[in-house]
Amino acid sequence: EIVMTQSPATLSVSPGERATLSCRASQSVSSNLAWYQQKPGQAPRLLIYGASTRATGIPARFSGSGSGTEFTLTISSLQSEDFAVYYCQQYNNWPLYTFGQGTKLEIK
Amino acid sequence: EVQLVESGGGLVQPGGSLRLSCAASGFTFSSYWMHWVRQAPGKGLVWVSRINSDGSSTSYADSVKGRFTISRDNAKNTLYLQMNSLRAEDTAVYYCAGGIGIVASFDYWGQGTLVTVSS
Repeated sequence: EIVMTQSPATLSVSPGERATLSCRASQSVSSNLAWYQQKPGQAPRLLIYGASTRATGIPARFSGSGSGTEFTLTISSLQSEDFAVYYCQQYNNWPLYTFGQGTKLEIK
Repeated sequence: EVQLVESGGGLVQPGGSLRLSCAASGFTFSSYWMHWVRQAPGKGLVWVSRINSDGSSTSYADSVKGRFTISRDNAKNTLYLQMNSLRAEDTAVYYCAGGIGIVASFDYWGQGTLVTVSS
């Protein structure tokens, strides 16, 4: 089973600043990596798939990069609505579609 | 508008059974691989099970294998999860989610239904 490790567990950033979230896979997942955003009491929402492609309707301030085992989600200028928990997920090693443990992005 | 609406959650005793449903609309349900993902209170997301677009192939996480059964009815645009021999550790919000193909992200998510296993 591929283990996805996200860092940091909690990230404190001020509105308007840049946030960088990391995700590491225990073995290569190629570019089969997605990022999801989850707000309290809500379902997860797809942000990025294929490691770097924004999903429909996702603002350009969200960007993804990486391949193999190292991935990054960058939010260029944080808006109030961006404070949430972010999960990475690999879908290369099906049928075990493993998620990271999440990074909580909080207001500094 | 894409919608996935789960139902069937509730309180059940250990060893009991529940059947979750997920009604889909706004997209071509029969083209999508569907999944169940769960989230224990205050915890992260865990993939539970998946079914291919025509229902001929299924997979399960080890933690639910032999106890849970995923199925679908494409004529009714509905996904199901039959949960038997429930344990306290199955307590979670259960989400249905859909993606195109086996190597695909989960594009669509339902709002979730809470399953509580307790005596």
